[in-house]
Amino acid sequence: NAGVTQTPKFQVLKTGQSMTLQCAQDMNHEYMSWYRQDPGMGLRLIHYSVGAGITDQGEVPNGYNVSRSTTEDFPLRLLSAAPSQTSVYFCASSPFGRNNEQFFGPGTRLTVL
Amino acid sequence: RKEVEQDPGPFNVPEGATVAFNCTYSNSASQSFFWYRQDCRKEPKLLMSVYSSGNEDGRFTAQLNRASQYISLLIRDSKLSDSATYLCVVISGAGSYQLTFGKGTKLSVIP
Repeated sequence: NAGVTQTPKFQVLKTGQSMTLQCAQDMNHEYMSWYRQDPGMGLRLIHYSVGAGITDQGEVPNGYNVSRSTTEDFPLRLLSAAPSQTSVYFCASSPFGRNNEQFFGPGTRLTVL
Repeated sequence: RKEVEQDPGPFNVPEGATVAFNCTYSNSASQSFFWYRQDCRKEPKLLMSVYSSGNEDGRFTAQLNRASQYISLLIRDSKLSDSATYLCVVISGAGSYQLTFGKGTKLSVIP
């Protein structure tokens, strides 16, 4: 199993550009989520999904969209990038009923100029 | 009061030392508790869950004090490879799968 994969690893955007961060998992996990990690702030939940076709907002959803058309994929879209979205983005997945262990992807480092 | 609070450190300890981290949480309805480890520029990984009766995994011991709303992590006989940031994680509410992370405590084990 590849586990949780994220692409790209690094990305530089200009203010106003849009892009999609990709996340995929091959463990058949129902629960998937996106976090951002900023210095001094810890990980904060952006959006999450409890299964295909079901998504919900986390703590910091503004400026981001998600969709979950398949169990495997959970892309995160930045609609109009802003410098405040410069961060490291982690995708995570978890099977229900396994003590909620979250499996994280390697992260995407995004810089918005 | 923030939901999950940790001493950010850094904790600089010599090899072989015993070090303890505490974490406090504000929601008395919190159900599940974990310690994650995050190496520099890497993703977080589960270190251990924290059970009500306390639990041990090799050199690591986790404890929960519901009355005072804190959890702790004790590392005995510190190794250089223990150097990392340790994240306290709490899930609040039955049936919830949303994790709340503390900001992490940085540990550096010095030769």
